[in-house]
Amino acid sequence: EAGVVQSPRYKIIEKKQPVAFWCNPISGHNTLYWYRQNLGQGPELLIRYENEEAVDDSQLPKDRFSAERLKGVDSTLKIQPAELGDSAVYLCASSLDAGTSGGDYNEQFFGPGTRLTVL
Amino acid sequence: AQSVTQLGSHVSVSEGALVLLRCNYSSSVPPYLFWYVQYPNQGLQLLLKYTSAATLVKGINGFEAEFKKSETSFHLTKPSAHMSDAAEYFCAVSDASGGSYIPTFGRGTSLIVHP
Repeated sequence: EAGVVQSPRYKIIEKKQPVAFWCNPISGHNTLYWYRQNLGQGPELLIRYENEEAVDDSQLPKDRFSAERLKGVDSTLKIQPAELGDSAVYLCASSLDAGTSGGDYNEQFFGPGTRLTVL
Repeated sequence: AQSVTQLGSHVSVSEGALVLLRCNYSSSVPPYLFWYVQYPNQGLQLLLKYTSAATLVKGINGFEAEFKKSETSFHLTKPSAHMSDAAEYFCAVSDASGGSYIPTFGRGTSLIVHP
């Protein structure tokens, strides 16, 4: 079974340029997460989707970040314009849902991430 | 609010030695607790989880962790380190607020294994 796929793996851009990241979750997973992982830190949740609906985007900087999950499968995270402080690894994860099924915790499966460098 | 503190950004051990990675949590309700491992240029992989069942939890690759409520700790151990264990380890907590189990991650501990 294929895992969570992300592209590109690496991206280098100059500040004020736009950038987009793409994520394809595991087939059948309803919940999709975007995390940002700064150097030397743990991942921090940016946004969570339940199918097509963004149910938790409180940590998403909405002035420059946007995300979409059309048809409840693939997702795209965009930054426009990028700033120096946006340099980080952007991780996508998916799970069956964000709760439990049959009393068992639904594990999140992470993609390899996109490493963004803003110059 | 939930939070996690991982003591030590780096832990260095010799191959074959005991591995001990420390994690303390803060949560207003009984939590779910997790340990994840991240190898270079890869995403996070779940090692083990505590979900209010047995306090001693066994995970993959010979790792285990013990939930100690009185100490608010969830330390990760492995009896004998292998070179392949060198990676970044993250402790995470979730209090299942609103019915979802979104983990809050610690800053991570880098495990270095010497031959």
